[in-house]
Amino acid sequence: KNEVEQSPQNLTAQEGEFITINCSYSVGISALHWLQQHPGGGIVSLFMLSSGKKKHGRLIATINIQEKHSSLHITASHPRDSAVYICAVSGNGNDMRFGAGTRLTVKP
Amino acid sequence: SAVISQKPSRDICQRGTSLTIQCQVDSQVTMMFWYRQQPGQSLTLIATANQGSEATYESGFVIDKFPISRPNLTFSTLTVSNMSPEDSSIYLCSVALNSNQPQHFGDGTRLSIL
Repeated sequence: KNEVEQSPQNLTAQEGEFITINCSYSVGISALHWLQQHPGGGIVSLFMLSSGKKKHGRLIATINIQEKHSSLHITASHPRDSAVYICAVSGNGNDMRFGAGTRLTVKP
Repeated sequence: SAVISQKPSRDICQRGTSLTIQCQVDSQVTMMFWYRQQPGQSLTLIATANQGSEATYESGFVIDKFPISRPNLTFSTLTVSNMSPEDSSIYLCSVALNSNQPQHFGDGTRLSIL
């Protein structure tokens, strides 16, 4: 069993829909990360969180430490949100362990 | 946030050769990491590049195959040695100011071995 499990693996949505991507982990962590990888391969760090909830624009990330679970929400989705979203966890050394990613396609 | 320049962006190499990938950062950073992303897979940490000392390798990765240099706080190289088709991957460097800060990634090096 992988240390970091993401669901769904693939997700197709219509523009404007509310999107949720889930992440569960099985190890102790210092922080959880949500990353976005575009088709060209570039990776952007969206959130780094260790408790509670963070919001940036239309993106919201939550984490439940007791349940070892995190969610990434996208409100009012747009085709430019189409990307692979990756959940990762890190320990004290900031070395990350990655989920398999969720491929999101938002159709106009 | 740090600006990372990774070179080359892509290359096609012959079996048995070696390629060195460079990662240059526009500011001094404590932590630098090298990752591999095999086709259709997520990222896997190869090693943590430590300034002034040997890199720390993850299980399954060895220094002879992936030698790393970290001569200063703004630069690191990863060499993929004696390449085989199984080494065809995207290789990415990332940096972080400290363990409490998010990592910033280079654009990656897309490597194909014939």
